[in-house]
Amino acid sequence: AQSVSQHNHHVILSEAASLELGCNYSYGGTVNLFWYVQYPGQHLQLLLKYFSGDPLVKGIKGFEAEFIKSKFSFNLRKPSVQWSDTAEYFCAVNAGYGGATNKLIFGTGTLLAVQP
Amino acid sequence: DSGVTQTPKHLITATGQRVTLRCSPRSGDLSVYWYQQSLDQGLQFLIQYYNGEERAKGNILERFSAQQFPDLHSELNLSSLELGDSALYFCASSTPWAGGEETQYFGPGTRLLVL
Repeated sequence: AQSVSQHNHHVILSEAASLELGCNYSYGGTVNLFWYVQYPGQHLQLLLKYFSGDPLVKGIKGFEAEFIKSKFSFNLRKPSVQWSDTAEYFCAVNAGYGGATNKLIFGTGTLLAVQP
Repeated sequence: DSGVTQTPKHLITATGQRVTLRCSPRSGDLSVYWYQQSLDQGLQFLIQYYNGEERAKGNILERFSAQQFPDLHSELNLSSLELGDSALYFCASSTPWAGGEETQYFGPGTRLLVL
């Protein structure tokens, strides 16, 4: 069965610090990968996604992620965080083409707190 | 704003009761997914509908059911509610199947509290 692991459950950073959130998935076939962000009290918003092609994908608000197939990883990065990035971040995967459904499998989330 | 709407935003009810959560997908989206977010289980897929038909089931209890109507809105019915059903219920919609490259856009959620 597919699974997604997010190793950092809580991250605390100061403004302007660099961010890297880890995400590993287990699935041997073609996958689509996503990062979603959930600001306090709000719904999930798509940050970025990877379907194919360039493994380095850029998303909104200065976020980027790199797909490393050999490591089954899709880590999220941002060179300089802001207080407004305080939120919970979810990595998700689906089976992509050929699957019966594109249901998303989510990681447990990483709660990021940015101190001003 | 994702274009996905959900009603109601909040729901407080008692154990044993039945509630209905409603979701309207983005214009043109044929797929609707339901997810449950709780502190102990995280974000879990419940069920998917595609153009009115059930496409996939996840960790959905037998007390829960869903349907998608001809106008593509969907309803999630939760019955014989228990305290543990308290959670945030999201729906997401997506563009029609296109080679597997499908992005889900989430609604604001319905927060259910069972007392």
